[in-house]
Amino acid sequence: DTGVSQNPRHKITKRGQNVTFRCDPISEHNRLYWYRQTLGQGPEFLTYFQNEAQLEKSRLLSDRFSAERPKGSFSTLEIQRTEQGDSAMYLCASSLAGQTNTEAFFGQGTRLTVV
Amino acid sequence: SQQGEEDPQALSIQEGENATMNCSYKTSINNLQWYRQNSGRGLVHLILIRSNEREKHSGRLRVTLDTSKKSSSLLITASRAADTASYFCATASSSGGSYIPTFGRGTSLIVHP
Repeated sequence: DTGVSQNPRHKITKRGQNVTFRCDPISEHNRLYWYRQTLGQGPEFLTYFQNEAQLEKSRLLSDRFSAERPKGSFSTLEIQRTEQGDSAMYLCASSLAGQTNTEAFFGQGTRLTVV
Repeated sequence: SQQGEEDPQALSIQEGENATMNCSYKTSINNLQWYRQNSGRGLVHLILIRSNEREKHSGRLRVTLDTSKKSSSLLITASRAADTASYFCATASSSGGSYIPTFGRGTSLIVHP
């Protein structure tokens, strides 16, 4: 499978615990995006990388959230001290930089439930 | 804030009918993309239309773009029960150096067999 891969698919955690999600983009894609989606809403932008550089972060991304893309390939999104309001689907997408008209392809998402 | 807004929020049709969904946006764009999302799953890319294009086809899908009205439409012809899903438009602009697809709230389509 050469699409965007996200792990785990589901995560249930207790409030206050830390969680980490992983995203493996399409191999030749150098742009990588993280989004969050709650029920009945569209995906909301969190942050994006071009290669290993984190170029933009949304105001939605509180201090408890951190994302990395250490070698410009896979990315991780960590949420510290999880809260019930963090329960959502976390989506990763990748695209090819250098062109303004390329498609962004999404993974299957990681569904987080904070209990 | 969300750039694009889909209309209607929900659409219910019979199999074989056509389904039309609209997307309106506020600022100038480089392109607009349409996605499908089945319940609880990731987004599947359907079509990208560039700002200098007016219409694009892919199988049973037809997308139009009117940049003067800042709107786009997605037409699904001869719908099938398997088309039941949420449909989202995402706009992208390279202004300011960023290029971040921004989504609306989506249209929930139900196709009854």
